[in-house]
Amino acid sequence: GNSVTQMEGPVTLSEEAFLTINCTYTATGYPSLFWYVQYPGEGLQLLLKATKADDKGSNKGFEATYRKETTSFHLEKGSVQVSDSAVYFCALSDKGQGAQKLVFGQGTRLTINP
Amino acid sequence: NAGVTQTPKFRILKIGQSMTLQCTQDMNHNYMYWYRQDPGMGLKLIYYSVGAGITDKGEVPNGYNVSRSTTEDFPLRLELAAPSQTSVYFCASSLAGVVNEQYFGPGTRLTVT
Repeated sequence: GNSVTQMEGPVTLSEEAFLTINCTYTATGYPSLFWYVQYPGEGLQLLLKATKADDKGSNKGFEATYRKETTSFHLEKGSVQVSDSAVYFCALSDKGQGAQKLVFGQGTRLTINP
Repeated sequence: NAGVTQTPKFRILKIGQSMTLQCTQDMNHNYMYWYRQDPGMGLKLIYYSVGAGITDKGEVPNGYNVSRSTTEDFPLRLELAAPSQTSVYFCASSLAGVVNEQYFGPGTRLTVT
């Protein structure tokens, strides 16, 4: 079955550091890939997405590129801020018929220190 | 728009009790979903619905029931609560299509003791 694996957390960085959170997936076919973010006490919000190989999703300074050859969708940001502290989830969605059934990774907790 | 709203925010149940988690969205989305999030784990899909009167099981449906009588509401029913159902429950909604964003509610933290 489909699955998503994220790097183990928690991750702690200083402000303005470079961020990478690794995400790899196993899926039949060519899924769509997503990064969702969960701020403390809130529900998840879509951060960015990519729907086909070599697509780059970007939002709020974050980027991720859909790499079919390595089945990866790593999240990067060049200079993190304290406000980026949150839990980040990588997810995939089959391009099948019917509802979008997201498969989530386990989440990576990110803490940014001033 | 309020988006996706969930009630209650917190609840403590005794083993064997029942309860309904409420979920309402005001975005006229056809698709709605219920997930549970266990500590250190990703979200797992419990049930979903593609429209009023249509529901289907997700990955972990045992111990839960749903109904969808209107586009706006998608309640989740727990019968005979068990400690294994202690979790945070999220409701979400989306437009049709596998690439569209899911909009999540703030969650309900449920403890079964």
